[in-house]
Amino acid sequence: EVKLVESGGGLVQPGRSLKLSCAASGFSFNDYWMGWVRQAPGKGLEWIGEINQDSSTINYTPSLKDKFTISRDNAQNTLYLQMSKLGSEDTAIYYCARAGSSYLMDAWGQGASVTVSS
Amino acid sequence: DIQMTQTPSSMPASLGERVTISCRASQGISNYLNWYQQKPDGTIKPLIYYTSNLQSGVPSRFSGSGSGTDYSLTISSLEPEDFAMYYCQQYDSSPWTFGGGTKLELK
Repeated sequence: EVKLVESGGGLVQPGRSLKLSCAASGFSFNDYWMGWVRQAPGKGLEWIGEINQDSSTINYTPSLKDKFTISRDNAQNTLYLQMSKLGSEDTAIYYCARAGSSYLMDAWGQGASVTVSS
Repeated sequence: DIQMTQTPSSMPASLGERVTISCRASQGISNYLNWYQQKPDGTIKPLIYYTSNLQSGVPSRFSGSGSGTDYSLTISSLEPEDFAMYYCQQYDSSPWTFGGGTKLELK
């Protein structure tokens, strides 16, 4: 069974940093692009970015490129999202997802909640 | 960035009804359009890829169509588990972008 489990969420003060992890199992992690998507309270889905199999290509939505860094550790089957200079606008549920064919995100985690507040 | 506009934003419907959700792109996206379902507990499920291809395990009552800038998701006969949020997503041009969502509600 394909499984993605996010961790590392929580309450963080404005201006601080936070790193999310996504543990993958049930598939060959190093064969897939992986990505992050977030959802602010009561809002729709926002694509954050993606990383290819060997980390040689990483794409971001332009508005988050300077704040967020996506990385992966294929030996640990884990995807990461490093977030810096967090503001209230970054309060959201953060999902990791596997990118299959046709750029369809064909497996999703349950999400990690991040709240930015003093 | 390509803007994706979904209509309606909410739709009351009855069991057994046929419904169609629309998604319009701000420019042509060459059929590079996927659909997702999100349940109230946050669980997200892929439904359709490349405009009209059903993801494995998705019931055949779901179908997708469209071209150019205009796309749609149709559910032929609503089942209780279909009442959820639906999102379109384009992958013609990075950054990939989602529509604002359509909430399918029980009438």
